[in-house]
Amino acid sequence: GQQVQQSPASLVLQEGENAELQCNFSTSLNSMQWFYQRPEGSLVSLFYNPSGTKQSGRLTSTTVIKERRSSLHISSSQITDSGTYLCAMAPMNTGGADRLTFGKGTQLIIQP
Amino acid sequence: EAAVTQSPRNKVTVTGGNVTLSCRQTNSHNYMYWYRQDTGHGLRLIHYSYGAGNLQIGDVPDGYKATRTTQEDFFLLLELASPSQTSLYFCASSWGGRGSDYTFGSGTRLLVI
Repeated sequence: GQQVQQSPASLVLQEGENAELQCNFSTSLNSMQWFYQRPEGSLVSLFYNPSGTKQSGRLTSTTVIKERRSSLHISSSQITDSGTYLCAMAPMNTGGADRLTFGKGTQLIIQP
Repeated sequence: EAAVTQSPRNKVTVTGGNVTLSCRQTNSHNYMYWYRQDTGHGLRLIHYSYGAGNLQIGDVPDGYKATRTTQEDFFLLLELASPSQTSLYFCASSWGGRGSDYTFGSGTRLLVI
């Protein structure tokens, strides 16, 4: 079954509002990452966050291992934040490889 | 600047044709990966490698071969392309076991008609 589930599938906000994206995983994980996919398709790494909270500018990622969830918070959203946000986990016992399992993504649309 | 470069950016081929997708990384990373992305499925791992001459099977390997010729170069081969292989393909690289330096190429859009 699906090991990584993201919610919501899509989210429409007004510029300036905050966004909360969720990622739930069903197996023990070794690492959790968040990526941003631009509208034209390219992928950018946002966070490597296997546990705890990390912040970068307006973005905050929180991973709670025992609850098997990770979240991405975007504060004061901007139109340029529009795109698809993907979470990905690497399960335990994969040796050294970061063989990631991705969620299906949250499509974020920020309107003026 | 360290990067992952894929070629071609777009490719159209006929059913049964041969296709080779190329990927080069200048990150000095040990691991390289091939993913495909399809609507409704997200990104799925096809093959990966931890060094020249090494190949590991991913989650959706059927119909694909791959070869890692050098530390920098990783190729994905479709020897008898089928319409079900129409997809957006991404190559990526990482050190392995650290995760924070995962780097993707810009992707190759493949259409099999």
